[in-house]
Amino acid sequence: QSALTQPASVSGSPGQSITISCTGTSSDVGSYNLVSWYQQHPGKAPKLMIYEGSKRPSGVSNRFSGSKSGNTASLTISGLQAEDEADYYCCSYAGSSTPVVFGGGTKLTVL
Amino acid sequence: EVQLVESGGGLVQPGGSLRLSCAASGFTFSSYWMSWVRQAPGKGLEWVANIKQDGSEKYYVDSVKGRFTISRDNAKNSLYLQMNSLRAEDTAVYYCARVSIAVAGTLFGWFDPWGQGTLVTVSS
Repeated sequence: QSALTQPASVSGSPGQSITISCTGTSSDVGSYNLVSWYQQHPGKAPKLMIYEGSKRPSGVSNRFSGSKSGNTASLTISGLQAEDEADYYCCSYAGSSTPVVFGGGTKLTVL
Repeated sequence: EVQLVESGGGLVQPGGSLRLSCAASGFTFSSYWMSWVRQAPGKGLEWVANIKQDGSEKYYVDSVKGRFTISRDNAKNSLYLQMNSLRAEDTAVYYCARVSIAVAGTLFGWFDPWGQGTLVTVSS
């Protein structure tokens, strides 16, 4: 069982918006603004999409946005495109004992 | 171009050992924490280990403590993972990743970039 909880799957039609949640605890997501999100296409390495909760790296589309409320972080993808179909993972700093925790991943299907 | 290239994966019997390597280029390797993350077939990502810039601090997920050792050679811009007493459940693609830390006093911020991964299969 993963430390952070994500829905196993979400889907949406092209042009629509979807949100993927990532629920942790007051020891990880709730304590630090250090949630990152990664996109992974089949057979490929993960790619950073969001860091520090809501910041986008250079080159990542502004259709991707991140937010946090309490112990839950969220990734929103607006204007869905076929190329967005992939697995998405959240990740958080969790303190000095076990510094890094991942969510179980969410499979996004673009209908 | 910032690049990480892993090598050293392969088939190993249960109880055996393997050493993974990660060659870094395009950035000042000695200025960054580095990490290993793995992904079992069809499963999610799992953080394995982190190492500080000078190698003085290392952190591991509980399931590999005492069996795996992360190390680095800043002169060779290389990261390593020595894996001993391997088990079937260690079968995974192992990724090398650069760690960015933005908040003083914390041990992790985010992973970027990632290598392409190297497959380790533990089976008899």
